[in-house]
Amino acid sequence: QVQLVQSGAEVKKPGASVKVSCKASGYTFTGYYMHWVRQAPGQGLEWMGWINPNSGGTYCAQQFQGRVTMTRDTSISTAYMELSRLRSDDTAVYYCARDWYGSGSHWGQGTLVTVSS
Amino acid sequence: DIVMTQTPLSSPVTLGQPASISCRSSQSLVNSDGSTYLSWLQQRPGQPPRLLIYKISNRFSGVPDRFSGSGAGTDFTLKISRVEAEDVGVYYCMQATQFPTWTFGQGTKVEIK
Repeated sequence: QVQLVQSGAEVKKPGASVKVSCKASGYTFTGYYMHWVRQAPGQGLEWMGWINPNSGGTYCAQQFQGRVTMTRDTSISTAYMELSRLRSDDTAVYYCARDWYGSGSHWGQGTLVTVSS
Repeated sequence: DIVMTQTPLSSPVTLGQPASISCRSSQSLVNSDGSTYLSWLQQRPGQPPRLLIYKISNRFSGVPDRFSGSGAGTDFTLKISRVEAEDVGVYYCMQATQFPTWTFGQGTKVEIK
């Protein structure tokens, strides 16, 4: 069965960077785009961007351009999202989600990133 | 950019009764390929989102048939025919027609009266 397993919670200081991983199993990793979505405490879902695991091509939402780097390692079926120059309002749960007909058919369990001095 | 607007934002319902959530987009979600990439997600408390409905009305694998989606163009609806306790959570509509971006609605909280 399809599974997306994300890395564990992180605590970072303002100005630092964080890198979240998303390990896929149960399907052909290179066959589906992977999206990243975040959710601040008590808030809704905010789309961040996607990576094409086959080509490595990426696209990110305008508000994250210059701060987000999405990469992948096809040898271990893992996608990564790195967010730099962290601010307190980046505190959120970060999810990876596999694209399927323009939806997130499968989601990781989420990674809580806390930004605090 | 497409804006997705859900109503209501909160929906108290009685167990066994129906519930309905509306989602309106700021522009048509009909893609140039003829498909409409409008989906519905459920997020139970403390859980990641879960796909319920894709392309307006297609139930995802394992989704109970009490969930149904309908609509066209800019107006869409998610219906729960008979609400059960496990349906409590927040429901989001989302669009992927405006490639390469996803856009979510604000979310509708379904709770039991």
